[in-house]
Amino acid sequence: GESVGLHLPTLSVQEGDNSIINCAYSNSASDYFIWYKQESGKGPQFIIDIRSNMDKRQGQRVTVLLNKTVKHLSLQIAATQPGDSAVYFCAENYRTTSGTYKYIFGTGTRLKVLA
Amino acid sequence: GAVVSQHPSWVICKSGTSVKIECRSLDFQATTMFWYRQFPKQSLMLMATSNEGSKATYEQGVEKDKFLINHASLTLSTLTVTSAHPEDSSFYICSASRMGHQRGTQYFGPGTRLLVL
Repeated sequence: GESVGLHLPTLSVQEGDNSIINCAYSNSASDYFIWYKQESGKGPQFIIDIRSNMDKRQGQRVTVLLNKTVKHLSLQIAATQPGDSAVYFCAENYRTTSGTYKYIFGTGTRLKVLA
Repeated sequence: GAVVSQHPSWVICKSGTSVKIECRSLDFQATTMFWYRQFPKQSLMLMATSNEGSKATYEQGVEKDKFLINHASLTLSTLTVTSAHPEDSSFYICSASRMGHQRGTQYFGPGTRLLVL
C-alpha cells in the first residue's frame, strides 16, 4: 500500500482555540490535495481541497494552506469545537506515468478538543 | 449529494469462510471505486482501484485471488474476502469518484468492520 503504518500523532486543543494540523507530502508532482476528517468507526469525510495553483483556500471555519516549496500542507480550524475531535488525514493526488491518478494518504493526526 | 454506502457495516465470520462487502454510490455514478484497508490507529492503505466493466488494479502486496473485486455497474462495487483468516480482520473502506471527474474527490463509505474468528 501507499500509506505508512505509523501510530497517529495527537494534537490537544482547548475548546474555542484555533487548531493547526500539519502534513508533509511526498510527491513534488502532486497537484491536488484534500483534507479528510475521520471519526471513530466511520469512513473519512471530505473537509476541503486545494489545487496546486492556489496557496490558500477557505471554507466554513476551515482554511487550507499549501506551500509547494517545502511540500507542506496545513489545515486550520477556527474556534475548535468538541465535534471537531477526530483523526484528520491529508491526501495528495498526482498523475502517474500510465495516465491514471493516484492518491496517497498521510499518516493522520488525532485532534482532541479539551473542554 | 455524493453519498457512498457500504454493507454490511459489521461482519463476524468463522475462519475459512468468504465474506462479501458491497459499496454503492447512492446519488451519483462512479466510474472508479477504491478499496482501502485500515488498521487501528493507522492511515488508509489502498488495496485496489476498481473501474466499471474492467479488471481491478491491485496494489503491490495485495493478493488478487484473496481479495476479489467486482465493479458490475456504475453504482456498485463488491469486495469478497475469500477463505478469510483472523489476520484479515480489519476495517475495510471503499470510496468512489464521480463519473467524468477523472481526478475528482473521493467520497468514502462508512466502512465495514470484519472480524474473523
